[in-house]
Amino acid sequence: GQSLEQPSEVTAVEGAIVQINCTYQTSGFYGLSWYQQHDGGAPTFLSYNALDGLEETGRFSSFLSRSDSYGYLLLQELQMKDSASYFCAVRGMDSNYQLIWGAGTKLIIKP
Amino acid sequence: DTEVTQTPKHLVMGMTNKKSLKCEQHMGHRAMYWYKQKAKKPPELMFVYSYEKLSINESVPSRFSPECPNSSLLNLHLHALQPEDSALYLCASSQVSEGAGGSTDTQYFGPGTRLTVL
Repeated sequence: GQSLEQPSEVTAVEGAIVQINCTYQTSGFYGLSWYQQHDGGAPTFLSYNALDGLEETGRFSSFLSRSDSYGYLLLQELQMKDSASYFCAVRGMDSNYQLIWGAGTKLIIKP
Repeated sequence: DTEVTQTPKHLVMGMTNKKSLKCEQHMGHRAMYWYKQKAKKPPELMFVYSYEKLSINESVPSRFSPECPNSSLLNLHLHALQPEDSALYLCASSQVSEGAGGSTDTQYFGPGTRLTVL
């Protein structure tokens, strides 16, 4: 089967840097996506890594290493509004549409 | 316009009611999705429409009936639901790409309908 593992909760301080890891067991996939979801809100796409390496979008960066079956989302200069749940997801090579989601990581930011 | 809209925002219905959820997007996306999400869980795929044709039905009970009238609209008809069907129902859309294109990995979600079945 295919599965993605994330820590259930991460706590960090405002202004700091935090890394949310995603390890996976899958026979093959096209790329690793990250979504953010605030309480009561809808998931919002953050980033997509098709290739190994780092993708940077403002304060957020995402990394993928297929050889290590591992990826992460890096959030810098944390702001209180970054408090949310973060999901990693992959699309298996047997599907054009279906994403396999991690269970999500709740990020708690303290002042 | 990168917005997906959904109506209603909230819905309370009895187990004998019939209701419909509506979703609309004007991004020219040809793939549209229905997801169900329970609290503290990831979204769970229910249906996928590609070019207005049902592409994926994830063994969803027949009390949920999807409909795609045109490339911008997606409906979910509800009938004889159970209390365990109470959840956030999310609509999403994406471009269509096969293989490593990545377009279908970038899904745009609507705000959802919070459904309560009494």
